[in-house]
Amino acid sequence: DAGVTQSPTHLIKTRGQHVTLRCSPISGHKSVSWYQQVLGQGPQFIFQYYEKEERGRGNFPDRFSARQFPNYSSELNVNALLLGDSALYLCASSFTPNTGELFFGEGSRLTVL
Amino acid sequence: RKEVEQDPGPFNVPEGATVAFNCTYSNSASQSFFWYRQDCRKEPKLLMSVYSSGNEDGRFTAQLNRASQYISLLIRDSKLSDSATYLCVVNISSGSARQLTFGSGTQLTVLP
Repeated sequence: DAGVTQSPTHLIKTRGQHVTLRCSPISGHKSVSWYQQVLGQGPQFIFQYYEKEERGRGNFPDRFSARQFPNYSSELNVNALLLGDSALYLCASSFTPNTGELFFGEGSRLTVL
Repeated sequence: RKEVEQDPGPFNVPEGATVAFNCTYSNSASQSFFWYRQDCRKEPKLLMSVYSSGNEDGRFTAQLNRASQYISLLIRDSKLSDSATYLCVVNISSGSARQLTFGSGTQLTVLP
């Protein structure tokens, strides 16, 4: 069975641009969470979606937004990119939103120049 | 103060050694606890949950002290394949969701 898939795997943007990252959860998983991981730090929670509704939001500016589609895939959008947005963006899926067992994708590595 | 604090290491130990990692958390409302493992340039993967009574999974033992807000992970008989970053994770209920909060990780290198 396929695990969590994310695209693109790597991308380079310049300051001020916009980026869309995509995630397909494990089949049967209805909850998707997004995390940002800066080099040398642990993943930091951005959003959680379950059944197409936002269930949680971390301490990120409004430039960050996300949504979940009827097939439970998700996308993360970041507007007006800053240098500090350079990071690994991880998507994780789970059966329910109230679990500590997350299955992560390999991530999308974003570099902002 | 960070919500979840870990000693960043690095811990460099010989094969066969026993090594222990510690973690403290600040939110007393934290409800569940986990250790994740992250290999270099890979995604995090769940290693084990941490229960109040302590729990063991092969060479790995996890302990939780709610009164002290302290979590530990003990690895016995270290293997080269144990080299990774170990992330302490707490699960905090926030409204209808539970948010996983990760520590910065402790880096372990097991040397031959």
